[in-house]
Amino acid sequence: GAVVSQHPSWVICKSGTSVKIECRSLDFQATTMFWYRQFPKQSLMLMATSNEGSKATYEQGVEKDKFLINHASLTLSTLTVTSAHPEDSSFYICSARDPQFSYEQYFGPGTRLTVT
Amino acid sequence: AQKITQTQPGMFVQEKEAVTLDCTYDTSDQSYGLFWYKQPSSGEMIFLIYQGSYDEQNATEGRYSLNFQKARKSANLVISASQLGDSAMYFCATTGGGADGLTFGKGTHLIIQP
Repeated sequence: GAVVSQHPSWVICKSGTSVKIECRSLDFQATTMFWYRQFPKQSLMLMATSNEGSKATYEQGVEKDKFLINHASLTLSTLTVTSAHPEDSSFYICSARDPQFSYEQYFGPGTRLTVT
Repeated sequence: AQKITQTQPGMFVQEKEAVTLDCTYDTSDQSYGLFWYKQPSSGEMIFLIYQGSYDEQNATEGRYSLNFQKARKSANLVISASQLGDSAMYFCATTGGGADGLTFGKGTHLIIQP
């Protein structure tokens, strides 16, 4: 199956700083990528849909100025958490859709963010 | 908008028994997809099985099968001959007909006992 990577796998940052998470499709071109957030012992919540060459579409309640998404190429999307606070600590997972297949989404391994 | 309901927060099952994980969905889309994912403690999301809303036959993938009852809006996952390695969180999810992201249920924590 297709492979999606995320970097870093975990990160600790201080409150008020920004942190960037990368999501890459390694062996296919992904016109659409998705960003999810998962709090401990909870489900995944879709944050935004990232489309190559256009602005991301954010889900209701997600602050677009806080969670900046850039889909710079067909294999790379980045999520930047700006002015991070402890309540932003979470597990962030991306997925990518392979245009060759109508439905399947391939998930990255996730990034665990801890804000101190 | 889509909604997924998983009513079993946790389940204990004896090894080698069959397991059914419940999932009901609500959607206004005519065309939609139903997914099951497994999430072990490592956090990775492992795709198990997919059912399209227009598929007449239940999907099967090895030990996994999806019991799709469209009229009841039900998409239960059946795992045959459970193994210790099946212990994990299981999420049911759906997506609309377009290039939509997934809407997940709250998940079921499955524990297989020897």
